[in-house]
Amino acid sequence: EIVMTQSPVTLSVSPGERVTLSCRASQRIGINLAWYQQRPGQSPRLLIHGASTRATGIPARFSGSGSGTEFTLTISSLQSEDFAVYYCHQYNAWPPYTFGQGTKLDIK
Amino acid sequence: QLQLQESGPGLVKPSETLSLTCAVAGDSMRSTYYRWGWIRQPPGKGLEWIGSVSHSGDTSYNPSLTSRATMFVDTSRSQFSLSLTSVTAADTSIYFCARQHPYYYGSGSPYWYIDLWGRGTLVTVSS
Repeated sequence: EIVMTQSPVTLSVSPGERVTLSCRASQRIGINLAWYQQRPGQSPRLLIHGASTRATGIPARFSGSGSGTEFTLTISSLQSEDFAVYYCHQYNAWPPYTFGQGTKLDIK
Repeated sequence: QLQLQESGPGLVKPSETLSLTCAVAGDSMRSTYYRWGWIRQPPGKGLEWIGSVSHSGDTSYNPSLTSRATMFVDTSRSQFSLSLTSVTAADTSIYFCARQHPYYYGSGSPYWYIDLWGRGTLVTVSS
């Protein structure tokens, strides 16, 4: 099983700031990585797939990068609706597909 | 617009079987293009993939569930289902159904990422 490790676990930031979230895979996964946003009480929403391809309707302030074992999600200028939990997800090797433990963005 | 909606009992007794159904609104289930999956999330915790099923009924499960999970697809009714046997308190979670979208690199087998999620349904295991 591929273990996904996200850092940091929690990040306190102010609206308008630029933030970078990290995700590391325990084995090489190419670019078969997705990022999801989960707001309180909601289901996850796909932001990025293929490590860097934005999903339909996702604002350009979200960008993803990386390959192999190291990946990042960058939000260029935080909006109030961006304060949520973010999960990375590898779909390179299955079963099982695996997720990171999440990074929570808090308002500073 | 595609929607996925989970349904099933919100309370299941220990040792019994948890059964959920996901209704798929829209015409995605008529296509052989997608896989259909279940993911769960204990309240306040992270995500765990349970398994997925193809249009033709080909299934794949998380080995951690030690063969307790079974999935079926009924394309004529645009729904798919999950059964989880011998449940314990550790199975208390929000259960999400989801669609898996293929991505092809050339002519090889596809890689499947989750592109759409249902709203989720909380299932509590308690006597």
